[in-house]
Amino acid sequence: SQQGEEDPQALSIQEGENATMNCSYKTSINNLQWYRQNSGRGLVHLILIRSNEREKHSGRLRVTLDTSKKSSSLLITASRAADTASYFCATPKAAGNKLTFGGGTRVLVKP
Amino acid sequence: DGGITQSPKYLFRKEGQNVTLSCEQNLNHDAMYWYRQDPGQGLRLIYYSQIVNDFQKGDIAEGYSVSREKKESFPLTVTSAQKNPTAFYLCASSKQAETQYFGPGTRLLVL
Repeated sequence: SQQGEEDPQALSIQEGENATMNCSYKTSINNLQWYRQNSGRGLVHLILIRSNEREKHSGRLRVTLDTSKKSSSLLITASRAADTASYFCATPKAAGNKLTFGGGTRVLVKP
Repeated sequence: DGGITQSPKYLFRKEGQNVTLSCEQNLNHDAMYWYRQDPGQGLRLIYYSQIVNDFQKGDIAEGYSVSREKKESFPLTVTSAQKNPTAFYLCASSKQAETQYFGPGTRLLVL
């Protein structure tokens, strides 16, 4: 199974609501990253949180990391229709510059 | 205008044919990666290269080949040995073992 697994697999909300998705991983990490992918496009890096950080903010994004539970969450506040996308967490593998991606959470923000 | 480009956007392969996907970056990144994405799924690593003239297999390298003759370029060949090549192929690059920057992707279809 994959190192990072997102939950839920899909999420549908109304514009203005908050969206929360979670990521669980199995092995120790030194950082965890979140990416966004619009349909049929490449991935865009959103935020990186290091293992010694518990929370990080970037605009309307808030990421938390709980290394004791091997989990992270991504919160999008005051969602907009443009936030409709798939969101992936990624964690580095033990050796090299490789990342392992989860299966993603597909978020639909309805206007 | 720095970035990472992939071409073509769509590629059609006939049975028994080898096809090559292009990936070019002008970000001066040492590391480059190829991923495969199937519908509704996450990314799986095909090959990666941390330096010119060197590359390593990822998780699903069978049926694929790569070269890294120049820092800027990392082409991927999908060989006839790859029996199920229909997928979305994403190229990425990174400077360090952290954030990866993705190209727009190539969608490969089998005729």
